[in-house]
Amino acid sequence: GQQVQQSPASLVLQEGENAELQCNFSSTATRLQWFYQRPGGSLVSLLYNPSGTKHTGRLTSTTVTKERRSSLHISSSQTTDSGTYFCAMDDTNAYKVIFGKGTHLHVLP
Amino acid sequence: NAGVIQTPRHKVTGKGQEATLWCEPISGHSAVFWYRQTIVQGLEFLTYFRNQAPIDDSGMPKERFSAQMPNQSHSTLKIQSTQPQDSAVYLCASSRTDSGNTLYFGEGSRLIVV
Repeated sequence: GQQVQQSPASLVLQEGENAELQCNFSSTATRLQWFYQRPGGSLVSLLYNPSGTKHTGRLTSTTVTKERRSSLHISSSQTTDSGTYFCAMDDTNAYKVIFGKGTHLHVLP
Repeated sequence: NAGVIQTPRHKVTGKGQEATLWCEPISGHSAVFWYRQTIVQGLEFLTYFRNQAPIDDSGMPKERFSAQMPNQSHSTLKIQSTQPQDSAVYLCASSRTDSGNTLYFGEGSRLIVV
């Protein structure tokens, strides 16, 4: 089945720095979505981006399907960006959505 | 649009008791997913429904877990004879179709088995 690898596992930044989160997967995916989760919180959809580049606010996602990778760029990080970021996609030959283990981001004031 | 609604938000149950969790998907969404989240295992797929029909339950522990979707407005996840290792946050999500559409999650139901 689909394998999803996220890197780095954790990241510590100073407020104002940019963050680059990576997601690599083993098979092509028709659904690719980035989520954010605050400790104790639910999963909030950030961007749905199975291919190409999408922007929302300070977030930019670029997915290169043939290279089986997606990135999430956070510009001018803020302390409120701290939390865990997940990428998720559909499994090989199936419709269930599977998740990477996440990147834990901590932004220092 | 109220989003995906899950109840209860928190449940504490004694070992061996039954726990039932409810999910109301977003109106008009035909796909409903259940996940379990723990610190150790992360986010684990349990099961999903399309137009109320069970499509894939490959993630469900076979013996004590069951899920149903009796109508388009709600789904239930039932755990019989709960065990401490069932303690987790159970998350429900819905999307317009089961591929190619954004997945929306509820707030989750935190189950603690003592």
